[in-house]
Amino acid sequence: HLQLQESGPGLVKPSETLSLTCTVSGDSIRTINYYWAWIRQPPGKGLEWIASVNYRGRTYYNMSLQSRVTISVAASEDEFSLTLSSVTAADTAVYYCARQTARAVAAHYFDFWGQGNMVTVSS
Amino acid sequence: DIVMTQSPDSLAVSLGERATINCKSSQSILYSPDNENYLAWYQQKPGQPPKLLIYWASTRESGVPDRFSGRGSGTDFTLTISSLQAEDVAVYYCQQYYTTPTFGQGTTVEIK
Repeated sequence: HLQLQESGPGLVKPSETLSLTCTVSGDSIRTINYYWAWIRQPPGKGLEWIASVNYRGRTYYNMSLQSRVTISVAASEDEFSLTLSSVTAADTAVYYCARQTARAVAAHYFDFWGQGNMVTVSS
Repeated sequence: DIVMTQSPDSLAVSLGERATINCKSSQSILYSPDNENYLAWYQQKPGQPPKLLIYWASTRESGVPDRFSGRGSGTDFTLTISSLQAEDVAVYYCQQYYTTPTFGQGTTVEIK
């Protein structure tokens, strides 16, 4: 039974870097037909995809965030991570990790989600 | 980016009645080589992560009740709940994966 669990701080100061990790259990991250993604949701608002990575380290990013975001994978540990630099109050959100189905090199829909990690940006 | 626009923003439906949510993409998300529409639907209940309901516009995820159905092609799509149950109260999102993923703004479904 696949499970994804986010971990990271609940509070980050403005201008600092946010770091989150997603631990995958119940299946291996080293699966060719999936990407692993981060998606966020500001309080009371909708969903915004941030970035995705496959187990080989192939990445793709939301262009609006790309200059501040890095996604990486530690396949041997069944983990993947997100860093977001120079955060502001606008980055306050629940951050979800999710498994994203893929076919060939194209990534598709999100079929499993973690419970989310609320991150508040405040001094 | 492809912009996804849902309508209405919210709707109230009586128990047992039909609920229909619309989703429109700013460009076609029908991929000609495989004749698939690159669209998914999710349900999100308060305090929970989104749950995948439908993918490829009309394929129901395993375990999803058959009162949920999706249809449409090109730029216009619908999610229908054929007989609304109390547990269906939630926010519903469409998402395109034809290009880098984008979501609709969400539609809140309530009981009338």
